Amino acid sequence: DTAVSQTPKYLVTQMGNDKSIKCEQNLGHDTMYWYKQDSKKFLKIMFSYNNKELIINETVPNRFSPKSPDKAHLNLHINSLELGDSAVYFCASSRTGLHNSPLHFGNGTRLTVT
Amino acid sequence: GDSVTQMEGPVTLSEEAFLTINCTYTATGYPSLFWYVQYPGEGLQLLLKATKADDKGSNKGFEATYRKETTSFHLEKGSVQVSDSAVYFCALSDSNAGNMLTFGGGTRLMVKP
Repeated sequence: DTAVSQTPKYLVTQMGNDKSIKCEQNLGHDTMYWYKQDSKKFLKIMFSYNNKELIINETVPNRFSPKSPDKAHLNLHINSLELGDSAVYFCASSRTGLHNSPLHFGNGTRLTVT
Repeated sequence: GDSVTQMEGPVTLSEEAFLTINCTYTATGYPSLFWYVQYPGEGLQLLLKATKADDKGSNKGFEATYRKETTSFHLEKGSVQVSDSAVYFCALSDSNAGNMLTFGGGTRLMVKP
C-alpha cells in the first residue's frame, strides 16, 4: 500500500541512451512532481502536473519529457542521456490548490550515466 | 524569488545532545514552512509544518516556530537519538507560487552513541 511508488530504484546506463522512470500514486492527489537531487543533496523542481496538465516546467533540457496518462501517474522519459544527468530523481504528489498541503515523496530512482 | 537557507552540515552530535538546525527564508507571498527528513536510501518525509506566523510545528520530539520578524524556522530537539541520523530539509511553499516547494540545501545530522 505504498503511497508514491517509482520504478526502477536503480538505473545504470550509458551516455546517449534513452530511459524512462515511472511513478504512480494511490493517494488520490491531483498534482504530481518530479524533483532532481544532486550529489550534494540539493533538490530542484523539474516539472509539476495538475490533473494531467503541465503547470510548472523549470529550466530543464528538452531531452527530459514528462508524460501523465492520468492523474495517478507521471512518468519521466529522458533522451540522449548525458553524464550530468546522473542524480537521484524523486517523484512526489500533493493535493491541488492548497499551498500548505505537504508533498508525499517516492523513494527515488538513482540514475547513473556512464 | 523565494529562497531557503539552512546551515551546512554535517552536524555531528552525541546521543541525548540538544539539536538546532538553523533555517531562514525569503518569500514574496505568505509562505507555509516545512521541515522534511530524508533517511538513507529513502525519499523525503514531512516532519513538521507551520502555516502562519508564530505557529509551532512539532513531531517526534522535534519543534520549529515560524518567526516572521526574523524570517526563520529553526529546527530543535532536546535530546537526539542515533535513529535521528538523516538529512533534514527546510522548505517553503509560497501562496504566490501554487504548491511548489522551495528547498534549502539540506543538513546532514549524524548522531553517535
